[in-house]
Amino acid sequence: ETGVTQTPRHLVMGMTNKKSLKCEQHLGHNAMYWYKQSAKKPLELMFVYNFKEQTENNSVPSRFSPECPNSSHLFLHLHTLQPEDSALYLCASSQDGLDSSYEQYFGPGTRLTVT
Amino acid sequence: GNSVTQMEGPVTLSEEAFLTINCTYTATGYPSLFWYVQYPGEGLQLLLKATKADDKGSNKGFEATYRKETTSFHLEKGSVQVSDSAVYFCALVRRNAGGTSYGKLTFGQGTILTVHP
Repeated sequence: ETGVTQTPRHLVMGMTNKKSLKCEQHLGHNAMYWYKQSAKKPLELMFVYNFKEQTENNSVPSRFSPECPNSSHLFLHLHTLQPEDSALYLCASSQDGLDSSYEQYFGPGTRLTVT
Repeated sequence: GNSVTQMEGPVTLSEEAFLTINCTYTATGYPSLFWYVQYPGEGLQLLLKATKADDKGSNKGFEATYRKETTSFHLEKGSVQVSDSAVYFCALVRRNAGGTSYGKLTFGQGTILTVHP
């Protein structure tokens, strides 16, 4: 595998379910991100991790819980979601540093539907 | 704060037409600028980038020039193809004078491009 991979690609869950989204990057990057992409809304940054440490939480509800066990893996744990949480969830990674241009590389996304 | 404004879509063109998608930005410091493309059912792919004023990014026939005086980064292509149909996002990362960044992309709202045969 190369680049950024995400599993599952599609997920349907009820409001009482607990599920997790997984992201893995094979690029040797030191930063990882979760974004939410809803219809007719701009991309929303949810969480940022640098060297496994969370550096950004953009007022995301606690029903979304990120986990970054190492710099290559990122999870998003979901519980008690609402129908308005249905969206495409995108993971990205980047190599941050003094000489970096900071472009982010995205995975294909997980299409989440909450019923 | 930082912001990116893209021309509103959707944009509909015939094959081989000339494409321009306007993008202007507001940022302090020295932002890096990007264009990303999202094909149906996929994630975002980096299309091109420019890291300093007057740089021109280019890829797959697309070009954009970093214009600091007009705070713009317009995307152009001389002859579009049906396969270019996608959503295009302009974005920036703000860098401070020391060259470090805050690791956060600011995106425009996206412009839907449809190219007909």
